[in-house]
Amino acid sequence: DGGITQSPKYLFRKEGQNVTLSCEQNLNHDAMYWYRQDPGQGLRLIYYSQIVNDFQKGDIAEGYSVSREKKESFPLTVTSAQKNPTAFYLCASTTPGGYKAFFGQGTRLTVV
Amino acid sequence: GENVEQHPSTLSVQEGDSAVIKCTYSDSASNYFPWYKQELGKGPQLIIDIRSNVGEKKDQRIAVTLNKTAKHFSLHITETQPEDSAVYFCAASNGVTSYDKVIFGPGTSLSVIP
Repeated sequence: DGGITQSPKYLFRKEGQNVTLSCEQNLNHDAMYWYRQDPGQGLRLIYYSQIVNDFQKGDIAEGYSVSREKKESFPLTVTSAQKNPTAFYLCASTTPGGYKAFFGQGTRLTVV
Repeated sequence: GENVEQHPSTLSVQEGDSAVIKCTYSDSASNYFPWYKQELGKGPQLIIDIRSNVGEKKDQRIAVTLNKTAKHFSLHITETQPEDSAVYFCAASNGVTSYDKVIFGPGTSLSVIP
């Protein structure tokens, strides 16, 4: 089945640690996105990539980093510089032209 | 760039009643308007979409209308059921180039009261 897979589903991080969230897709989509969602809030764009080896900052990129070495993979690293990282993180990819978006099931990150 | 607004932010309806969520967009070049449903603890899923050459589209109990002149589009859910309770996001994109990205509205939390 084609789709987007995020892992892990739940992640706990100690303060001061970097953690990496995985996002893999087998839909052959060029564009991939990372969103942050806080309780009762909408989708805030962290980073997006329209093509391999290229990515752009979204609205809340500070404290996050990404890479896009392969078309299928777009990992997100939450660095220690992100002061309030506890949130629900969603990865998505879109068909060409930014049309239909397909989302993963999300990773819930908690700082302990 | 494109900006999408969505109203209301929360909506409660009695089971069996209709629900309407409205969105406006700013970029007249936008030509694709999808709606996504997000259930608790899950990622959003596409439920219906409409392109700019169509004024209305219906799929069973859900329908979407588009007014390009006014730059707004709406989601209509009839005969609501408890399983319709979720957060709904509208979105807009213009797909002119492969670099165009989708822009989401802030979401509407719909509660259907049995």
